[in-house]
Amino acid sequence: KAGVTQTPRYLIKTRGQQVTLSCSPISGHRSVSWYQQTPGQGLQFLFEYFSETQRNKGNFPGRFSGRQFSNSRSEMNVSTLELGDSALYLCASSLDRAEGNTEAFFGQGTRLTVV
Amino acid sequence: QKEVEQNSGPLSVPEGAIASLNCTYSDRGSQSFFWYRQYSGKSPELIMSIYSNGDKEDGRFTAQLNKASQYVSLLIRDSQPSDSATYLCAVNMRYGGSQGNLIFGKGTKLSVKP
Repeated sequence: KAGVTQTPRYLIKTRGQQVTLSCSPISGHRSVSWYQQTPGQGLQFLFEYFSETQRNKGNFPGRFSGRQFSNSRSEMNVSTLELGDSALYLCASSLDRAEGNTEAFFGQGTRLTVV
Repeated sequence: QKEVEQNSGPLSVPEGAIASLNCTYSDRGSQSFFWYRQYSGKSPELIMSIYSNGDKEDGRFTAQLNKASQYVSLLIRDSQPSDSATYLCAVNMRYGGSQGNLIFGKGTKLSVKP
C-alpha cells in the first residue's frame, strides 16, 4: 500500500512569491491534515480537510490556505511569502480524523526555503 | 489553550537501558494518544497509539496512559543506538461540537550511547 506522497520535496522561493504544495493521501483515507514544523515552534497544525471541506483550522494568517479534491488529494497554498515561512510542511492522512482512534500517517514533507 | 507538554531533553541513556519519555496534556476530554519517532531530517513515524488507561506493549515499546493524571509515557526497553531520535507525543483533542485535531508536543530528543 503506497504511503502519503508530498510534492515537491524541496522548494526555494523569494519573499513575496506564492507557493502551492501537494499531498496525496493513503488510498482510502479521506482526512488530510497539514502541519508546519520549525525548530523553534515544533509541529503546528495548519488545517484539516475531509470530503473536500475544511473541518478545522489552526492559528495561522489567511495567507495560508488549502483545498481538497474529490479524490482526497489536497493542496496548500501560501501567498506573499515571508522569510518566517521557511519550514518543513507536513501532510498527514487518516481514515477520519474525527474518529479519535484513527491513526495519522505523515508524508515525507516539503522543505520550503524563502530567501 | 490546548497544550501537550514534553521535556525537550536531551535524554541520554546507555545502550541496553530503559528510556522513559513523558508527556502531559491539558484537555481532560482527550481520548486518543500517539507517539511518533522523528529522525533528523525525516518526517514523523507513528510507533504507538493508546486509547485506554493502562499499558500497551509492542515489542520493545510500552505506552502507558493515565487519564486521571493527564499523563502519557513511552518506555523503550533494551535501547539501541538506532533509537536515537526525537520522540513526539500527540493528543487528539476535541472541543465543543467540532472534530478534534492532533496536537503535538515539541518532542524529547533521545540519545542512546553505545
